[in-house]
Amino acid sequence: GAGVSQSPSNKVTEKGKDVELRCDPISGHTALYWYRQSLGQGLEFLIYFQGNSAPDKSGLPSDRFSAERTGGSVSTLTIQRTQQEDSAVYLCASSKGVGELFFGEGSRLTVL
Amino acid sequence: AQSVTQLDSQVPVFEEAPVELRCNYSSSVSVYLFWYVQYPNQGLQLLLKYLSGSTLVESINGFEAEFNKSQTSFHLRKPSVHISDTAEYFCAVGFETKIIFGSGTRLSIRP
Repeated sequence: GAGVSQSPSNKVTEKGKDVELRCDPISGHTALYWYRQSLGQGLEFLIYFQGNSAPDKSGLPSDRFSAERTGGSVSTLTIQRTQQEDSAVYLCASSKGVGELFFGEGSRLTVL
Repeated sequence: AQSVTQLDSQVPVFEEAPVELRCNYSSSVSVYLFWYVQYPNQGLQLLLKYLSGSTLVESINGFEAEFNKSQTSFHLRKPSVHISDTAEYFCAVGFETKIIFGSGTRLSIRP
């Protein structure tokens, strides 16, 4: 497709379960970001991938969070042993170098 | 540490009144600056950006922002707002390896 695609759009899980969120960026975009948006909060930076460089993981809130990007394209954000405070909208964005970020519609995660 | 501060979480204004949404950042290195807008039940989209050159940048719908390096600010302004401007506005700053967002300002327009 032409835009950033994220799946699932909604995920409800039980506390303690693992979840995987997927992001398919715009073709040709070398940069990929994950952000978390909680109710009443801004966008919290999680992780940044740029080409073949080592990712900037400085925003991951705990070691339960991890992300990978395969072949410089699709990315998966994994949250292990989910907690209620992990409930949020997880946004993926991609860009071609420095400049405009193109956002996906987000994955809304609810941890019961 | 690098940070982006939007001082106002909510700004109510009357229709056709002017508005300013404030954004400050902390950084000792060169940055690039953005304002994103999120309309109700929609995704984030770019409103305007500063990468280099003229410090005053404009959007197609009448917003403008000015990069002030000495004050490390990038405030967003519009001389006359419309009901359709109701949205949440996010300031974003690109540091060396990442783009960080402020906490957002919810702009509500009263008729």
